[in-house]
Amino acid sequence: AQSVTQPDIHITVSEGASLELRCNYSYGATPYLFWYVQSPGQGLQLLLKYFSGDTLVQGIKGFEAEFKRSQSSFNLRKPSVHWSDAAEYFCAVGKGNQGGKLIFGQGTELSVKP
Amino acid sequence: DTAVSQTPKYLVTQMGNDKSIKCEQNLGHDTMYWYKQDSKKFLKIMFSYNNKELIINETVPNRFSPKSPDKAHLNLHINSLELGDSAVYFCASMGAGRGEQYFGPGTRLTVT
Repeated sequence: AQSVTQPDIHITVSEGASLELRCNYSYGATPYLFWYVQSPGQGLQLLLKYFSGDTLVQGIKGFEAEFKRSQSSFNLRKPSVHWSDAAEYFCAVGKGNQGGKLIFGQGTELSVKP
Repeated sequence: DTAVSQTPKYLVTQMGNDKSIKCEQNLGHDTMYWYKQDSKKFLKIMFSYNNKELIINETVPNRFSPKSPDKAHLNLHINSLELGDSAVYFCASMGAGRGEQYFGPGTRLTVT
């Protein structure tokens, strides 16, 4: 069955510290991979995506993610967190040939300490 | 200009009522979606339309009926609302040949 796991429900980091949010997936083939961010009361904003090619992808707001096929992972990283990064982060997988259906992880809530 | 818009943003209603949520996208995308986000923030797809045709229906109760009058609009009508329907409903769209979806701001539905 297709699934996405984000092992960390809640993470707290200090402002200026580095961040890594974990994402593991189960899928029949290499899917398209996405990270979205949801600020309180807001919709989802696409941070970055992986379709193919270079396994290290850069996104908006200084985020990057690395696809590791052998580990079925797509972890999100940021070298220095800003207070405005506090939000809910969702990893998602999908494939264009299934009508673009996205399967989401449970989300990781990021808190940033001053 | 808002790419994907939804109305209303908040909807409070009583059990048994019928309500609609509207979605519009100005991105020229072919495919539109409805997702439901529950109280634990879990997101699950409900429906997908491509050029006004239903392509995904994820075993949603038939009290939920999506309608797409044209490829820029996808509305969600809900009959006989139940307490369990309380959630945030997100509309999204995707362009042809692409994989990423763009989401609306969400509609928070509260059934009392």
